[in-house]
Amino acid sequence: GAGVSQSPRYKVAKRGQDVALRCDPISGHVSLFWYQQALGQGPEFLTYFQNEAQLDKSGLPSDRFFAERPEGSVSTLKIQRTQQEDSAVYLCASSREGLNEQYFGPGTRLTVT
Amino acid sequence: AQSVTQPDIHITVSEGASLELRCNYSYGATPYLFWYVQSPGQGLQLLLKYFSGDTLVQGIKGFEAEFKRSQSSFNLRKPSVHWSDAAEYFCAVGPGGYQKVTFGTGTKLQVIP
Repeated sequence: GAGVSQSPRYKVAKRGQDVALRCDPISGHVSLFWYQQALGQGPEFLTYFQNEAQLDKSGLPSDRFFAERPEGSVSTLKIQRTQQEDSAVYLCASSREGLNEQYFGPGTRLTVT
Repeated sequence: AQSVTQPDIHITVSEGASLELRCNYSYGATPYLFWYVQSPGQGLQLLLKYFSGDTLVQGIKGFEAEFKRSQSSFNLRKPSVHWSDAAEYFCAVGPGGYQKVTFGTGTKLQVIP
């Protein structure tokens, strides 16, 4: 079946703008993760959903970051009042219940100017 | 807290030569360990994973990794590198693939003719 998809693939935002990044997980995957990957770094955990419940948001860097998954499928990561330090690739991953591996999407590259 | 160290930022090998990428981890319990590969503009692809049992794990694309508890290491190996293996490789540790995973900073592999 289809893999994890993310849109848009590229986003340029002016500092102060709000952005919304979308993730479509693999059908039937109950767990969904968001990671932030800065240039030259490994992915860093942001938040995690099991179905529609956000079980861990300890990695969100500030209250400008907000994620939701209202129907337990598609998820949106929203960043308000973007700052230059928010420039990164945002990766989404999903996992099936009981499966000890995550499947990653291609990411959204956010550039804040 | 869990952490991963990949001491080599960049490695260059000749095509056909053997490869070993180093990974050391810190984790308070029995870890779940992963190796992912990321090609430019692509998401992360799982190469292999270790949960328990045989400490030598076989993965896709001819890669293998060996878990050494006494050294807190999980090094990735390949006996003969192909030009298509040029990419960035990430080691990761976590309590399970359905929970948040901590990544290392990555090793960029260059393959020369």
